[in-house]
Amino acid sequence: ETGVTQSPTHLIKTRGQQVTLRCSSQSGHNTVSWYQQALGQGPQFIFQYYREEENGRGNFPPRFSGLQFPNYSSELNVNALELDDSALYLCASSLVGTPKYEQYFGPGTRLTVT
Amino acid sequence: GNSVTQMEGPVTLSEEAFLTINCTYTATGYPSLFWYVQYPGEGLQLLLKATKADDKGSNKGFEATYRKETTSFHLEKGSVQVSDSAVYFCALSDHPGSARQLTFGSGTQLTVLP
Repeated sequence: ETGVTQSPTHLIKTRGQQVTLRCSSQSGHNTVSWYQQALGQGPQFIFQYYREEENGRGNFPPRFSGLQFPNYSSELNVNALELDDSALYLCASSLVGTPKYEQYFGPGTRLTVT
Repeated sequence: GNSVTQMEGPVTLSEEAFLTINCTYTATGYPSLFWYVQYPGEGLQLLLKATKADDKGSNKGFEATYRKETTSFHLEKGSVQVSDSAVYFCALSDHPGSARQLTFGSGTQLTVLP
């Protein structure tokens, strides 16, 4: 069983730029969630996708957007990057509709905005 | 809104010592409660969960009991090992029986010395 993978591992961007982060869900999972984890803090929920539709959103501005593809891979896009966007971005997948509803997390992408 | 408050760290223990990490929560309704662990350079791993009052979650010697009357879900282990050194996060989901839209505490760093 393949786990959740994310790419890239690290990247550095300049304020005002745009970034795309990628996630491949665990095999068979139909739901993906994205979280932002600032240094020394717990993860904050950004949004969740189920069957390619946004299925819940946390307190993040519209410049944070996402996509989920038919093969259950996903992207997180952030426009007009700000210094405070520097964080570890975590992707988590789960299988809605079964007892195995736990979210399985990837290793994360470390984004640094300068 | 929902919130999770964790005991502040860092916590340093000697091997075989008893561990308690306190966690209290605020939520509407009947949340599901979780403990996640994050090892250096890795994503979050689900350690244990409880979905209703008085449930006890357990895994790898760790235990936590869902206490509705005190809105708590404290993590305990009778004898810690060096390999337990990690950051521990308490989390809740207010979707009954689901891990959707997790709200996390700020994490507690545990270091176990040989």
